[in-house]
Amino acid sequence: QSVLTQPPSASGTPGQRVTISCSGSSSNIGSHAVNWYQRLPGTAPKLLIFRNDQRPSGVPDRISGSKSGTSASLAISGLQSEDEADYYCAAWDDSLNGHVVFGGGTKLTVL
Amino acid sequence: QVQLQESGPGLVKPSQTLSLTCTVSGGSISGGSFYWTWIRQPAGKGLEWIGRIYPSGSTIYNPSLKSRVTISVDTSKNQFYLKLSSVTAADTAVYYCARVHSGSYAMFEPWGPGTLVTVSS
Repeated sequence: QSVLTQPPSASGTPGQRVTISCSGSSSNIGSHAVNWYQRLPGTAPKLLIFRNDQRPSGVPDRISGSKSGTSASLAISGLQSEDEADYYCAAWDDSLNGHVVFGGGTKLTVL
Repeated sequence: QVQLQESGPGLVKPSQTLSLTCTVSGGSISGGSFYWTWIRQPAGKGLEWIGRIYPSGSTIYNPSLKSRVTISVDTSKNQFYLKLSSVTAADTAVYYCARVHSGSYAMFEPWGPGTLVTVSS
């Protein structure tokens, strides 16, 4: 049972917009920035969004992040087959002397 | 451009200690205000944060693993290390090392490619 809650799966057709939610609490998302990671099959996770809504260089602007209260969202518009991957949210949590918590991951399928 | 590479035994016997090394290249492990971290992912499961270390040697561990984990650093070798004691099959996973950006302690970039460690007799 992950501390951050994500839907296990999401799907969309090419060109569509999909969103993935990440729900937490006051000790994690409510107090700290959310980061999103994309893990393509057979590869290491890659930073996709940092500090809630910032994109590293090389990440297209059709990918965006947002945060409100104790929840965050990742949005992918103009869905492409290359977006099919697992997506994870992560944040610092102040409980138990502080540690990082992840969401359980969302498998995005491009139909 | 900083790159990380994990190394260590791919097979560990139950009750023994898992030991991994992360070698940092393309930059100094002591350069900048970065922490260094270990994360793992069992097959078919999500990511689990193990702990992090600052070049000074200061550490923070996942509370669920704290009693069995030791992370250390050797700045002269540009390496940091993971030791996980009393392993069981539940510790079988791909283990990743990554750099942590200060001020955003869940911001990991870049990552190493990962190394699979199997716990089995």
